[in-house]
Amino acid sequence: LAKTTQPISMDSYEGQEVNITCSHNNIATNDYITWYQQFPSQGPRFIIQGYKTKVTNEVASLFIPADRKSSTLSLPRVSLSDTAVYYCLVGDGPGGYSSASKIIFGSGTRLSIRP
Amino acid sequence: DAGVTQSPTHLIKTRGQQVTLRCSPKSGHDTVSWYQQALGQGPQFIFQYYEEEERQRGNFPDRFSGHQFPNYSSELNVNALLLGDSALYLCASSLKRLGEQYFGPGTRLTVT
Repeated sequence: LAKTTQPISMDSYEGQEVNITCSHNNIATNDYITWYQQFPSQGPRFIIQGYKTKVTNEVASLFIPADRKSSTLSLPRVSLSDTAVYYCLVGDGPGGYSSASKIIFGSGTRLSIRP
Repeated sequence: DAGVTQSPTHLIKTRGQQVTLRCSPKSGHDTVSWYQQALGQGPQFIFQYYEEEERQRGNFPDRFSGHQFPNYSSELNVNALLLGDSALYLCASSLKRLGEQYFGPGTRLTVT
């Protein structure tokens, strides 16, 4: 199972672009990369998922270099409501976890947005 | 279209007691996974149910057990509660085990 490493915390200001990088050196060929967002006392919410290159949706972009050993979640023009914990998961299922191993979220990155 | 629902929202139990938590998956989903999230930590996978059977299990003792019903809803049972079982218990549903997971709001369990 590919282990992920993320910064423990990040700070930014409203209107800025925020990039959170996740390292997954042992990613396997069949692994997808998935990011979740979690607000206090709520369940995680799916943000974006990708396999290679770049994926963009209405809330974020995900950049994955050719070697796939890392990925970067990009949040454009953040607002105070983007303050949350962000988790990077790697696994061979499109749900972001491995069908043959344990599902590991890690401790995530605590993002704080200031006015 | 109802999302994942969990009950109860909050629960207070005493050490040694037993507790049952309930989860209804998102409409159209057939797989339910349970997670335990201690304060300040990421969710830890407990187990996953699909076709009424436990398919995967994380590193949790046998005190943690579950069940999935024919309508895909699920229960998490914890016996002989310990203080360390105090946590937010999250249920997530997906389609065919490997689909995108949708999480419920969780049940906050406090063991005193």
